[in-house]
Amino acid sequence: TQLLEQSPQFLSIQEGENLTVYCNSSSVFSSLQWYRQEPGEGPVLLVTVVTGGEVKKLKRLTFQFGDARKDSSLHITAAQPGDTGLYLCAGENTGNQFYFGTGTSLTVIP
Amino acid sequence: EAGVTQSPTHLIKTRGQQATLRCSPISGHTSVYWYQQALGLGLQFLLWYDEGEERNRGNFPPRFSGRQFPNYSSELNVNALELEDSALYLCASSLRWPLWTDYGYTFGSGTRLTVV
Repeated sequence: TQLLEQSPQFLSIQEGENLTVYCNSSSVFSSLQWYRQEPGEGPVLLVTVVTGGEVKKLKRLTFQFGDARKDSSLHITAAQPGDTGLYLCAGENTGNQFYFGTGTSLTVIP
Repeated sequence: EAGVTQSPTHLIKTRGQQATLRCSPISGHTSVYWYQQALGLGLQFLLWYDEGEERNRGNFPPRFSGRQFPNYSSELNVNALELEDSALYLCASSLRWPLWTDYGYTFGSGTRLTVV
């Protein structure tokens, strides 16, 4: 089992604030994905990062893959209520499958 | 294009009964995954099927089982239901590796199983 720990587990912030969510493991992954899950729905893929040190931006969301491909971070700038949801990272063990992290529940208060 | 569909959306069972959950993947996807999500936080991996075969299994007792049919749809069976089996059961499908790296998993909306 590939253990992916996310922190913080819960996060409640005011609209307009910035935040960072972390995803850490002792295992090396060939790629890592971030998903967002809204209540009553399944997770939806946000981004895939493949190369160590890679940074991807999706509007106000910035994703980074660690140099050693063991960790990743998600930074949200000027959070909005629509960003509320459960954020999940998932690491790929080459040719095997994705292993999901423990999740970070984000609430953005208007 | 139709997404991943799961049925039923809600299921209420009595302790000791059996539950059957169904999943239809996106057309062209050969892999199906089952996850248990309790307390709305984190996904616990249950089963992975590809081309009709079980490829991997999570740390769950044998009373959790399933199968994948020739049309790639899948079924999850939970026997001898216990109260702690109450959870959201999510099904996901994907293209075969390495294409799943680019496109990820596509999830259904889940089946909410309540055991009373």
